[in-house]
Amino acid sequence: AQSVAQPEDQVNVAEGNPLTVKCTYSVSGNPYLFWYVQYPNRGLQFLLKYITGDNLVKGSYGFEAEFNKSQTSFHLKKPSALVSDSALYFCAVRDWYAGNMLTFGGGTRLMVKP
Amino acid sequence: DAGVIQSPRHEVTEMGQEVTLRCKPISGHDYLFWYRQTMMRGLELLIYFNNNVPIDDSGMPEDRFSAKMPNASFSTLKIQPSEPRDSAVYFCASTREGSSYNEQFFGPGTRLTVL
Repeated sequence: AQSVAQPEDQVNVAEGNPLTVKCTYSVSGNPYLFWYVQYPNRGLQFLLKYITGDNLVKGSYGFEAEFNKSQTSFHLKKPSALVSDSALYFCAVRDWYAGNMLTFGGGTRLMVKP
Repeated sequence: DAGVIQSPRHEVTEMGQEVTLRCKPISGHDYLFWYRQTMMRGLELLIYFNNNVPIDDSGMPEDRFSAKMPNASFSTLKIQPSEPRDSAVYFCASTREGSSYNEQFFGPGTRLTVL
């Protein structure tokens, strides 16, 4: 079975500071990993993904994520946070053997203060 | 492309009434997913279809819930009878096999309130 854990319900960061939103996963095969963002009263929007190749993945809005196989982690990062980055962030994993289903983490609320 | 379209955006109903949520996936996508989001349980996959055929409905909470996909451009999620605990935001998402390794595109959601 595949699973995703986002250990922090909320992350607070000051504008201009770097941010990290944590994600760890568990799969039986090779993982496909994704980050989505949800703004208030909106659906989830795709940010970035890791399929294979370079462990550092760059995505939309200046976000990036680092795949670490030994730590089974896929943390989301941004060098300089903006107030407009405040939203709910979801990590998701697809196990190669699990068909076309994504398993989502519980979400982490990012609050960026001016 | 208009993206995934869901209707209605908001639905308020009374306990015991039938509720039907609608979804139009992105044209050309052959997978369609229904999710439910609540504060308590987060984002849950209810059911998904491939080429209009239900593949996994293990997330459907009980027999009061049913979903159909009569054609490639339309799906419904029905709750009959509805209960207050069904209050949630329901999302529809679609994707295309072999495209971007399963990047799913989400609709704006339907906020359901059962009084």
